[in-house]
Amino acid sequence: DQQVKQNSPSLSVQEGRISILNCDYTNSMFDYFLWYKKYPAEGPTFLISISSIKDKNEDGRFTVFLNKSAKHLSLHIVPSQPGDSAVYFCAASVRSGGSNYKLTFGKGTLLTVNP
Amino acid sequence: DTEVTQTPKHLVMGMTNKKSLKCEQHMGHRAMYWYKQKAKKPPELMFVYSYEKLSINESVPSRFSPECPNSSLLNLHLHALQPEDSALYLCASSQDQGLVAYGELFFGEGSRLTVL
Repeated sequence: DQQVKQNSPSLSVQEGRISILNCDYTNSMFDYFLWYKKYPAEGPTFLISISSIKDKNEDGRFTVFLNKSAKHLSLHIVPSQPGDSAVYFCAASVRSGGSNYKLTFGKGTLLTVNP
Repeated sequence: DTEVTQTPKHLVMGMTNKKSLKCEQHMGHRAMYWYKQKAKKPPELMFVYSYEKLSINESVPSRFSPECPNSSLLNLHLHALQPEDSALYLCASSQDQGLVAYGELFFGEGSRLTVL
């Protein structure tokens, strides 16, 4: 059973508009949530994260919102640029013993930003 | 050097073959990871080595055998694989396993494995 779900396999937006990528989770023990970005033929790279005790984290054009009661988070990209076209993975971390954490990933959403 | 290097990029093997995937990093990271990703599925954690000791084994079948010869190298030995093991195998590293929660996880490009 998937603990991190990205229900939209793909999203297409126009350059300059807002991209909103969504993620749902089931495990209330997750304590950090992360977004990774993956270009073809490259490994995923870290984009932005949020602690479970916060509801918003912003970094430039990227903002992540967390709604703990709904077990839902979203990534907003404003304004969207063609270079943002990539697969975006939602991930969540949980303690795996001591101070160690492990990540659980969603399936990913392919974002296409059209010029 | 901020790279995690994986070789080979592509591997085709028969079910009776023995092969290995290799991963190398020179960032001084002390935790290294193997993930498996099948098409349209999320990356799934297989193994974690922390300070050269196996820290996590996610109940992976014994036909996959990890090895961490030193803090910079991580191998995945493959033997008697099945066609359903065909996938992208991603290696990653972090300074410390505890920093993964903060996004401090660096991935390689992956090794695309096909088992015939």
